[in-house]
Amino acid sequence: DIQMTQSPSSLSASVGDRVTITCRASQGINNYLAWYQQKPGKVPKLLIYAASTLQSGVPSRFSAGGSGTDFTLTISSLQPEDVATYYCQMYDSALGTFGGGTKVEIK
Amino acid sequence: QVQLVQSGAEVKKPGSSVKVSCKASGGTFSSNYAVSWVRQAPGQGLEWMGGFIPIFGRPNYAQKFQGRVSITADESTSTAYMELSSLRSEDTAIYYCARPASGSYYTSPLVYWGQGTLVSVSS
Repeated sequence: DIQMTQSPSSLSASVGDRVTITCRASQGINNYLAWYQQKPGKVPKLLIYAASTLQSGVPSRFSAGGSGTDFTLTISSLQPEDVATYYCQMYDSALGTFGGGTKVEIK
Repeated sequence: QVQLVQSGAEVKKPGSSVKVSCKASGGTFSSNYAVSWVRQAPGQGLEWMGGFIPIFGRPNYAQKFQGRVSITADESTSTAYMELSSLRSEDTAIYYCARPASGSYYTSPLVYWGQGTLVSVSS
């Protein structure tokens, strides 16, 4: 199976900071890459699909990019409500492997 | 609005099996939808177990769960099922079903999620 590696595993930033999370696939995944946000005690929420397309209703401070094996999720101005764990997921080759997650906290 | 309603919490003995159901309301589990099953152990990340692949007309499973998991669906009742056998303590987790927004050929981004089913494995 394709492996997905996220970094960092956790980060702490101030309100208003720009935050970037990285996700690397063990082989090319044709941009079939999604990002999810999971707040404590809640189910995951889809933020981004097709590597860079914002899901309907997601604030525009979230953006994503990348191609091939290397992808990023960026929060342009971190807000208190963004405290959560973020996961990337590949959905290529009839698989759906998740990255290990990045926990985002407010400093 | 699509809602996925899962069956209730289960407590199982090591070596036994568990079958979790996931019923769609306001939508369907037709063979056009790539429904996935995802689990999350306590304090851990999300783990994709497998899902129905419409273009194959059958499920595909993560290598880790091959031979131990079975994903099925009953279109007449819009219900999907995930059965995990040979349970061990490490299988203690919340199990989620999830579905894309629309029909697709392969695994797709997951928009709708069930509420989760806690499966506890303990002797």
